[in-house]
Amino acid sequence: KQEVTQIPAALSVPEGENLVLNCSFTDSAIYNLQWFRQDPGKGLTSLLLIQSSQREQTSGRLNASLDKSSGRSTLYIAASQPGDSATYLCAASSWGGSYIPTFGRGTSLIVHP
Amino acid sequence: GAVVSQHPSWVICKSGTSVKIECRSLDFQATTMFWYRQFPKQSLMLMATSNEGSKATYEQGVEKDKFLINHASLTLSTLTVTSAHPEDSSFYICSAKRESGETQYFGPGTRLLVL
Repeated sequence: KQEVTQIPAALSVPEGENLVLNCSFTDSAIYNLQWFRQDPGKGLTSLLLIQSSQREQTSGRLNASLDKSSGRSTLYIAASQPGDSATYLCAASSWGGSYIPTFGRGTSLIVHP
Repeated sequence: GAVVSQHPSWVICKSGTSVKIECRSLDFQATTMFWYRQFPKQSLMLMATSNEGSKATYEQGVEKDKFLINHASLTLSTLTVTSAHPEDSSFYICSAKRESGETQYFGPGTRLLVL
């Protein structure tokens, strides 16, 4: 059974810092790994999706890497801004009759001015 | 695009009533839709998988008679919480995937509060 762990659980940083959020998964036979953003009381916003054959994806100030062999993914946020404050979830999709994403508990990020 | 909508975005109901939540794929046909639940400070947990025209498959511990799922068309799945109780208060999120491909596209979620 896939298990996804995110470290740290919470992070508070001053504006402008570069950040690394970590995600680890136990079953390396994944189909893809996805990073989401969730604002308080809101749904999920997909940030980056990395297919199992890919090593990284980039979108603006965000870069996500994937190392299947070690069961790890990192989300790098460059030059953080207060608007980046949210909870960041990673989800690893593994086979369970269909490819089902298993979510981590998230990293709650606060970027203060 | 691949847009999924949910309605309502949030609902308050009295204990004992039933609540229906709709999940729609707006610009693609979704052969499979998924329903998740998220309790405060917890991650999303899969409740059930529904395929168009067939019965839903429920995850262990999810009562199928309490959470009725209907996937009557390729663009619509509904989740009905029957005889809702305060412990059913949660954030319900659906996702949908195309016939080709395995990526799930998530809806914005429905917040349910049962008084």
